[in-house]
Amino acid sequence: EIQMTQSPSSVSASVGDRVTITCRASQDIYTWVAWYQQKPGKAPKLLIYTASSLQSGVPSRFSGSGSGTDFTLTISSLQPEDFATYYCQQSNSFPFFTFGPGTKVNIK
Amino acid sequence: EVQLVESGGGLIQPGGSLRLSCAVSGFAVNDHHMSWVRQAPGKGLEWISIMYSGGRTYYADSVKGRFTISRDNSNNTLYLQMNSLRGEDTAVYYCARTDNFGFDYWGQGTLVTVSS
Repeated sequence: EIQMTQSPSSVSASVGDRVTITCRASQDIYTWVAWYQQKPGKAPKLLIYTASSLQSGVPSRFSGSGSGTDFTLTISSLQPEDFATYYCQQSNSFPFFTFGPGTKVNIK
Repeated sequence: EVQLVESGGGLIQPGGSLRLSCAVSGFAVNDHHMSWVRQAPGKGLEWISIMYSGGRTYYADSVKGRFTISRDNSNNTLYLQMNSLRGEDTAVYYCARTDNFGFDYWGQGTLVTVSS
């Protein structure tokens, strides 16, 4: 099974800050990574797929990069509505998806 | 507009059974792959089952042999039959439309609590 790790597990940031979250896979997964945002009590929302493709309707301040085993989600200028938990997910072993443990973005 | 609405969750004793439903609107459930993903309280996301558009099914090891995914094309509904429930099955269960890259539409979730 492909394991996904994320760092940091939590980050405190202010509105306007640039925030970077890292995801690492236990083996080469090419660009088969997606990123999700989840707010408390809500379902996850797809932000990025195939490492760098922005899902329709998602603000352009969100971007993704990486290939192989190391991936990054960047929020270029943090907005109040971006405080949430972010998960990476691999689909290289489709249909056996696995998620990272999550990164919580807190208000500083 | 795409909508997925789960139902059927609740409190169930260990060893019991429960069937979850996911009513879909905005697309045909048999035109897309569909998955169930769960989230234990305060924990991360776990994919547990998928039904391909063609009908093939797959399960995570944690539920294989106990859970069964199915669908009713006429009612445009996805199901998850859960048997031999354990405490570690306590979670919010989400249905999600699935592509080869991940999950693009999600329901709001239904809570299953396994406890005596």
